Amino acid sequence: GAVVSQHPSRVICKSGTSVKIECRSLDFQATTMFWYRQFPKQSLMLMATSNEGSKATYEQGVEKDKFLINHASLTLSTLTVTSAHPEDSSFYICSAPEFSSGRPDTQYFGPGTRLTVL
Amino acid sequence: AQSVTQLGSHVSVSEGALVLLRCNYSSSVPPYLFWYVQYPNQGLQLLLKYTSAATLVKGINGFEAEFKKSETSFHLTKPSAHMSDAAEYFCAVTPSGGYQKVTFGTGTKLQVIP
Repeated sequence: GAVVSQHPSRVICKSGTSVKIECRSLDFQATTMFWYRQFPKQSLMLMATSNEGSKATYEQGVEKDKFLINHASLTLSTLTVTSAHPEDSSFYICSAPEFSSGRPDTQYFGPGTRLTVL
Repeated sequence: AQSVTQLGSHVSVSEGALVLLRCNYSSSVPPYLFWYVQYPNQGLQLLLKYTSAATLVKGINGFEAEFKKSETSFHLTKPSAHMSDAAEYFCAVTPSGGYQKVTFGTGTKLQVIP
């Protein structure tokens, strides 16, 4: 199957700093990528849809000025957590759909980034 | 609108016993359905998917699931549990076709008892 990578896998930062997380599709092009966050022992919650060459679409309740998304190329989307606070500590996962027979078929997920804000 | 309900947040089985993880879905349009597995501190790995072809879907690691439209179910099974199957399992749904976002169930943690 398709491969999606994330970098870094783990990051610890001080409160008030900004953190950038990269999501790359390694062997396919992804005009759309999705960003999720997962709190301990909970399911994944969609934060936003990242669209190559246009603005991201955020889910209700997600602050777009805090979680900046840039989809600069067909293989790279970045999520920047600005002025991070301890409540932003979470597991962030990206995904990208793979096309099969011309239609998006399956979401492939990155390995996740564990963010800890002190 | 779409949603999935996973019955049982925790399931325990003995090694070698049948694994059955339940998932019911709701979707206003024909769905695609997925099962993902997540090991601690890792991302999600696709186990299997239903995309409107065969209703009985076989996946990796001996897992399979059957799409039953009349019951709106997509239960995951494996005839014989292995210790390595211990993980969190997520059922997910998306409308078929298009750039569709995935809606996840709340997850079922599978414990395998030696």
